[in-house]
Amino acid sequence: TQLLEQSPQFLSIQEGENLTVYCNSSSVFSSLQWYRQEPGEGPVLLVTVVTGGEVKKLKRLTFQFGDARKDSSLHITAAQPGDTGLYLCAGPGVRSQGNLIFGKGTKLSVKP
Amino acid sequence: DAGVTQSPTHLIKTRGQHVTLRCSPISGHKSVSWYQQVLGQGPQFIFQYYEKEERGRGNFPDRFSARQFPNYSSELNVNALLLGDSALYLCASSRGQGFLSSYNEQFFGPGTRLTVL
Repeated sequence: TQLLEQSPQFLSIQEGENLTVYCNSSSVFSSLQWYRQEPGEGPVLLVTVVTGGEVKKLKRLTFQFGDARKDSSLHITAAQPGDTGLYLCAGPGVRSQGNLIFGKGTKLSVKP
Repeated sequence: DAGVTQSPTHLIKTRGQHVTLRCSPISGHKSVSWYQQVLGQGPQFIFQYYEKEERGRGNFPDRFSARQFPNYSSELNVNALLLGDSALYLCASSRGQGFLSSYNEQFFGPGTRLTVL
């Protein structure tokens, strides 16, 4: 069974601080995605990483895919209150089903 | 362009009742997937429909069923509701059946919040 474990589960920081959240698995994934979900909304795709060792940047967000394609991290520089939300990592499940497997998420709160 | 729409936004039911949730995909998208997100958890896959046929099913009991219509909209039905069915039900649409390509990104709707009392 493919599982994605995210840590930490909760993170509360002050505006301007840096943070890193992690997504780990014992299984190899062909790719991983990161989503952000705000209360009352569905998840919104931030990035897809495909190649082992890949690093992608989205403004103040840096995403990294592990060399062995079993883990990924999301680093936020100088966090802002607008970054508050639930950060979910997801990977492909059974290819024929087209489903996504999600981690439980990291709930981030950035206080002004 | 309109995104994925879901109705109703909120719903309160009692144990044993039946519920129907609706989803309209983004125009041009032929695939709809349903996910259940219990409070404090990530979304869990329930079904995927593509071209009106079921193409994938997650580990959910037979009380859960779905269908896709010729206009690619979809309904999720849950019979004999249990307290544990209380969750946010998310619908996602994509162009095709596969996933994780720029062509086939899944776009999520805002969800239907179901409360079972």
